[in-house]
Amino acid sequence: DADVTQTPRNRITKTGKRIMLECSQTKGHDRMYWYRQDPGLGLRLIYYSFDVKDINKGEISDGYSVSRQAQAKFSLSLESAIPNQTALYFCATSVLSGGEHEQFFGPGTRLTVL
Amino acid sequence: SQQGEEDPQALSIQEGENATMNCSYKTSINNLQWYRQNSGRGLVHLILIRSNEREKHSGRLRVTLDTSKKSSSLLITASRAADTASYFCATDERGTYKYIFGTGTRLKVLA
Repeated sequence: DADVTQTPRNRITKTGKRIMLECSQTKGHDRMYWYRQDPGLGLRLIYYSFDVKDINKGEISDGYSVSRQAQAKFSLSLESAIPNQTALYFCATSVLSGGEHEQFFGPGTRLTVL
Repeated sequence: SQQGEEDPQALSIQEGENATMNCSYKTSINNLQWYRQNSGRGLVHLILIRSNEREKHSGRLRVTLDTSKKSSSLLITASRAADTASYFCATDERGTYKYIFGTGTRLKVLA
């Protein structure tokens, strides 16, 4: 079983709709992250959470919100989707290992906003 | 944005050749990591080099880090067609534990 799972894997929606992307992990990591990836670009950080009571904005948080329902779950919401939010979305977790953090990524959610 | 930059953006080589990719970044870091991404799929962690390290090896991978120049390189030796993928560097900003990703190098290894 995958350690970091994302649902759905693919989603097509219309402008103005509310969308929720979900991420679950079985790794027991405290830290979770949401990124988006656009063609030809690297990953850009949307939000991150260092524990259940900690939520922080990343580079591009406008138009997004998150919820850390439990240590294992971190959801990303688009309150009113717009076409330029069409992208590949990745959830990641991290753990302190040997004094440094390593990140582990989910398989991604491909979102298309028409 | 404080994204790093990889160089070159795209690289095409013959199987058996070595592939070198470079990454530049802008901030002080705790560590730098390299990831691999097959087309449209998740990222896979390859190697982590700490800010106090200069070189690290893992199998056919060799990573160097020059903190004075804020740059790193990833060398893949004896490349294989299966190495075809995009490669990204990510820096762990000192004091923040946020990761900043580069724009990636698309490597194509021709059989």
